[in-house]
Amino acid sequence: GAGVSQSPRYKVAKRGQDVALRCDPISGHVSLFWYQQALGQGPEFLTYFQNEAQLDKSGLPSDRFFAERPEGSVSTLKIQRTQQEDSAVYLCASSLVTPPGETQYFGPGTRLLVL
Amino acid sequence: TQLLEQSPQFLSIQEGENLTVYCNSSSVFSSLQWYRQEPGEGPVLLVTVVTGGEVKKLKRLTFQFGDARKDSSLHITAAQPGDTGLYLCAGVSRYSGGGADGLTFGKGTHLIIQP
Repeated sequence: GAGVSQSPRYKVAKRGQDVALRCDPISGHVSLFWYQQALGQGPEFLTYFQNEAQLDKSGLPSDRFFAERPEGSVSTLKIQRTQQEDSAVYLCASSLVTPPGETQYFGPGTRLLVL
Repeated sequence: TQLLEQSPQFLSIQEGENLTVYCNSSSVFSSLQWYRQEPGEGPVLLVTVVTGGEVKKLKRLTFQFGDARKDSSLHITAAQPGDTGLYLCAGVSRYSGGGADGLTFGKGTHLIIQP
C-alpha cells in the first residue's frame, strides 16, 4: 500500500536552470493534481489530470510551467528558466475517482530552492 | 476568485487547553475539508463536511460546517503536544464544463501545543 511518492525531495537550482519534478501517484488513481505551497502558506492549485488528459491548467503561473502525464500514471512538472519566486514546495496529490469532493492523497512534496 | 480566510494564523497554547480555529469565506462551497500537515510532509485529510450545519467528531476534534456552507470551525478539546501542526481548510466547488474541482485552501493555522 504505497502512497504518493515524489522525487526529488529537495532540489536546489540556479536561476535560469530548468527543473523536472516527478510524481508517482497511488496505483489505479484516475485523478492527479499539482499544487504549489509557498513558505507559510496553504497549497495553491496548479493543474489537474484525469488519466492522461490535462483537464485544467488554470493555476499554472506562467508558460514556463509545463506538466504532463503521458501514460496516465507518473506525472512530471517541468519549470523552465527558473526564477527565485518559483521557490516553494510542490505537492502532488492523487485520487481514485474524478472530482469534485473526492479524497485527495498528497505526496511529501518537492522543496525547490532557486538561488 | 474564491478565498478562504483562516484565523488565527498562529496559536500557541498549553497542553490541556481548548481551542477553536475558524475558516471563513464569502463564497458557498459544496463541501469543505480539513487537513493537517506536519513539517516535510503533505497534507493529510481529517474530515469532509458536506451538509450545512453538519457537525462531525473525530476523537477530541469537532468540526462544524456553517448553515450557509460558507464557513467552518475546528474545535480541539484538551489539546495535546501531538496535535501540533499546520491545520488547513479547503473548499470544494462544483465546476461546470468538466473542469477540476480545484481545491481552494486557506493559508492555514500554525498550532503549537506546549507540554
